[in-house]
Amino acid sequence: NAGVTQTPKFRVLKTGQSMTLLCAQDMNHEYMYWYRQDPGMGLRLIHYSVGEGTTAKGEVPDGYNVSRLKKQNFLLGLESAAPSQTSVYFCASRKTGAVGISYNEQFFGPGTRLTVL
Amino acid sequence: GENVEQHPSTLSVQEGDSAVIKCTYSDSASNYFPWYKQELGKGPQLIIDIRSNVGEKKDQRIAVTLNKTAKHFSLHITETQPEDSAVYFCAANKGGFQKLVFGTGTRLLVSP
Repeated sequence: NAGVTQTPKFRVLKTGQSMTLLCAQDMNHEYMYWYRQDPGMGLRLIHYSVGEGTTAKGEVPDGYNVSRLKKQNFLLGLESAAPSQTSVYFCASRKTGAVGISYNEQFFGPGTRLTVL
Repeated sequence: GENVEQHPSTLSVQEGDSAVIKCTYSDSASNYFPWYKQELGKGPQLIIDIRSNVGEKKDQRIAVTLNKTAKHFSLHITETQPEDSAVYFCAANKGGFQKLVFGTGTRLLVSP
């Protein structure tokens, strides 16, 4: 199993450009998450999904959109990139269990380093 | 909402020493507290976690303690090794187990 993979690994954008970050997981996990990591600020949740076709806002959703058309994929879009979106982006996934059973571990991808000039 | 504070931001120890990282949380409804280790150029990886019905949990050289009354929890690493050098993040759950709020991270450097 590849686990959680992210594409691309690095990207440089100019202000105003758009792009999509792709996250894929082969563990059949229901939950998927997008975080951004900035120096001194830890990991902050952008958006998340509890299943195919569903998305929800996290702590810092402004300027980002997401889609979960297939269970294994979670896309993060930047419609008009800004320098403030320069960051390392991590995707994660988590399994859910039957009633009374919870699987709490989030499995992270290797990250995408995005620079917006 | 939940706020998680983590200290120290950097920690340098000699190989074989112990290391302690502390976190405090604000939401009394939080009941799940994981610790993640992030090595250079990689994504975070869960190393240990604890639920609020337990005061301490150990796994070989690492342990986590939880004080619900004071709303703080700590990571203890004994007999540190150079391969323990990494950034460590604490977290607390928010909204059941759906979401985590992370601390700002501690960079641990273990010198041989």
